[in-house]
Amino acid sequence: DAKTTQPPSMDCAEGRAANLPCNHSTISGNEYVYWYRQIHSQGPQYIIHGLKNNETNEMASLIITEDRKSSTLILPHATLRDTAVYYCIVRGTSGSSNTGKLIFGQGTTLQVKP
Amino acid sequence: KAGVTQTPRYLIKTRGQQVTLSCSPISGHRSVSWYQQTPGQGLQFLFEYFSETQRNKGNFPGRFSGRQFSNSRSEMNVSTLELGDSALYLCASSLFAGGENYGYTFGSGTRLTVV
Repeated sequence: DAKTTQPPSMDCAEGRAANLPCNHSTISGNEYVYWYRQIHSQGPQYIIHGLKNNETNEMASLIITEDRKSSTLILPHATLRDTAVYYCIVRGTSGSSNTGKLIFGQGTTLQVKP
Repeated sequence: KAGVTQTPRYLIKTRGQQVTLSCSPISGHRSVSWYQQTPGQGLQFLFEYFSETQRNKGNFPGRFSGRQFSNSRSEMNVSTLELGDSALYLCASSLFAGGENYGYTFGSGTRLTVV
């Protein structure tokens, strides 16, 4: 079973920030939070990952709470092309036998509206 | 650079037949994973290979098998096809085992329909 809980759907206005929450209350100290998204009929796309510090790249920012029990993916200026299913995944660090086994939940369907 | 290439893109097979799907990872990537995606079960992990060795296996029957070649290309095979095997089969590659550091790059998948 997935170790994360996400809302099934969210709407966002084009040009505004999209904030996608994820709960992972049973996360272990050596487990990372990864975010992927899947645009219709395509394979999932890696977005960002983090352990405990906030992270930012050209696609998004990841905010992880201090207790690491939840996180938020932020798309700073959502466009229509950001409409997709967003998956939050918890996975172990190297040395763990399950690092390659991504367990996808149902994700959040983000609809960006003009 | 070229992405993850999966062939064929679409496939129709008859129940009871067997099928082989192919995946060419990004050049230099040594880790290849396979996933099955269906509307009912979502994305489910099948197996992961790294340097020709299976590192991880998901909860699928023995009819599902895979292998990785010395050039990192991978194939998965499904024998004795069932209607429920109809799905999008996705391959993902990574530089490091387990998708460490940079995550996985997924292909566009092979859409298998069993009739």
